[in-house]
Amino acid sequence: GDSVTQMEGPVTLSEEAFLTINCTYTATGYPSLFWYVQYPGEGLQLLLKATKADDKGSNKGFEATYRKETTSFHLEKGSVQVSDSAVYFCALTPNDYKLSFGAGTTVTVRA
Amino acid sequence: GAVVSQHPSWVICKSGTSVKIECRSLDFQATTMFWYRQFPKQSLMLMATSNEGSKATYEQGVEKDKFLINHASLTLSTLTVTSAHPEDSSFYICSARDLGWGAGEETQYFGPGTRLLVL
Repeated sequence: GDSVTQMEGPVTLSEEAFLTINCTYTATGYPSLFWYVQYPGEGLQLLLKATKADDKGSNKGFEATYRKETTSFHLEKGSVQVSDSAVYFCALTPNDYKLSFGAGTTVTVRA
Repeated sequence: GAVVSQHPSWVICKSGTSVKIECRSLDFQATTMFWYRQFPKQSLMLMATSNEGSKATYEQGVEKDKFLINHASLTLSTLTVTSAHPEDSSFYICSARDLGWGAGEETQYFGPGTRLLVL
């Protein structure tokens, strides 16, 4: 079945550091790919998405590119802030909107 | 943006009792809602798909008689944990599917979750 493998955390960074969270997937066909973020005490929020190969999703300084050849959707941000501290989930759906999530990566940014 | 609420946010109950969790889409209609379960420091596991006006579709391994789902309106789905036991203690999260304004605009919005503790 469809699955998502996500870089294990926790990840601790200093402010203004570069963040990368690796995500690879296994799926039949052409799934849509997502990054969700869960801030402390809040529900999951969609951070960005890409629906086809070579699409780049971006939001709040975060970017991820749908790479079909490597079945990857790595999340990057060039300069993190303390407010980026959260749990990040990579997810996919084969377009029936049933999401399969990765394990989540906890990111802590220190001032 | 769209908001999905859950009630209650946390609940403690005795073993053997039933607990109902509500999921509401506050500013859009959702024909489809999803129920997830999240264990500590683990990912979300899809339990079931809730369809307005029809029976829910359960994922493999999820007991439909234990986790009763009712999607009686376009803005409300409920999950009832029947005869709860300590192993049902978990964080339950719902999401609602917003069709948006056209193709490619569909988005899932997640509720803040309900923490259930069964004693």
